[in-house]
Amino acid sequence: LAKTTQPISMDSYEGQEVNITCSHNNIATNDYITWYQQFPSQGPRFIIQGYKTKVTNEVASLFIPADRKSSTLSLPRVSLSDTAVYYCLVGDVGSARQLTFGSGTQLTVLP
Amino acid sequence: DTGVSQNPRHKITKRGQNVTFRCDPISEHNRLYWYRQTLGQGPEFLTYFQNEAQLEKSRLLSDRFSAERPKGSFSTLEIQRTEQGDSAMYLCASSPTLGYTFGSGTRLTVV
Repeated sequence: LAKTTQPISMDSYEGQEVNITCSHNNIATNDYITWYQQFPSQGPRFIIQGYKTKVTNEVASLFIPADRKSSTLSLPRVSLSDTAVYYCLVGDVGSARQLTFGSGTQLTVLP
Repeated sequence: DTGVSQNPRHKITKRGQNVTFRCDPISEHNRLYWYRQTLGQGPEFLTYFQNEAQLEKSRLLSDRFSAERPKGSFSTLEIQRTEQGDSAMYLCASSPTLGYTFGSGTRLTVV
């Protein structure tokens, strides 16, 4: 299972764009990159998933360079309610393999 | 469909007692996972079911832990002779083939 490294914490202000970068140097050919969001006392919630280049949904964008050794989650115009822990995971989503979470990035959005 | 449901949400028990948690996955999701999460850490995989078959167990799952998924529907996780180190959030997730949906977890406190 590919190991991921992401910052422990980040602070931002309301209305700003937030970019959280994750490194995954040992990513395998079949691996996808998935980001989850977790609020206190709740289970992780799927945000976005991608394999290469750029993926965008109504919540976030995911940028993946050609070598796929890193990825960046971009949250546009964050609000206080985006304060949460964000996890980057790498794995073969086509298999039944379990998810391997790191410690995540605590994002704190300030007023 | 109300998502993955876990009961109880909170459980306080005395050391040495047995506890059982229940997870009701999203209907027709054939994969069900149990994770454990301690404060400040990401969730750690415990075990995985494909329908009623338990296909994988983590080394974290000591012989005091047992999980079942009769008839491939809901699942139970039992911890016997609880220890203070068992205090954690126990998360259940279900999955069709791609993507995971987590429940809100059961927070266990062993006193």
